[in-house]
Amino acid sequence: GNSVTQMEGPVTLSEEAFLTINCTYTATGYPSLFWYVQYPGEGLQLLLKATKADDKGSNKGFEATYRKETTSFHLEKGSVQVSDSAVYFCALSLIQGAQKLVFGQGTRLTINP
Amino acid sequence: SQTIHQWPATLVQPVGSPLSLECTVEGTSNPNLYWYRQAAGRGLQLLFYSVGIGQISSEVPQNLSASRPQDRQFILSSKKLLLSDSGFYLCAWSFTNLWGSTEAFFGQGTRLTVV
Repeated sequence: GNSVTQMEGPVTLSEEAFLTINCTYTATGYPSLFWYVQYPGEGLQLLLKATKADDKGSNKGFEATYRKETTSFHLEKGSVQVSDSAVYFCALSLIQGAQKLVFGQGTRLTINP
Repeated sequence: SQTIHQWPATLVQPVGSPLSLECTVEGTSNPNLYWYRQAAGRGLQLLFYSVGIGQISSEVPQNLSASRPQDRQFILSSKKLLLSDSGFYLCAWSFTNLWGSTEAFFGQGTRLTVV
């Protein structure tokens, strides 16, 4: 089946630290990959995406590269801010009859000043 | 532009009472629609998805049901709520572009507390 596995949280970092949140996937086809962010009490917002191998998605200083050989889509940011504190979800989508979005379990990130 | 509305934002219901959460999408036609639940401190669980009017697929057996009476309306219901139904419910819609890429857009969520 199709699944997404994310780095276990919670993750706590100091401001300006380097961030990596690991994400690996299993898919029967050729998925598109996404990172979503959820701020407290809100719905999910798309952070970045990649639709084919070696694509790099980027937004707000965050980056993730679609690695087909390692089936990974790790999220990185060079210098985190307090405002980056949120829950981050890795997800994939496949077209198999009906389009379904499969999410990882989410990683809670807390940035301390 | 497309928007998604989900209501109510918060809801406190007694055990055994019925439930109806509504979600509507504007600015697009024939969207794929989804209901997710997020239990406290946990990830997203896909409950239902729909690719068209009257077409509902259930991902997990549960105390809930979904209906799609109109193209851009998706309703989550229960006849009798359980304590375990408490959680944060998210409606989402998605589209697939010409290149087969799907992107999802989420509502603001409904926090349901069953007491």
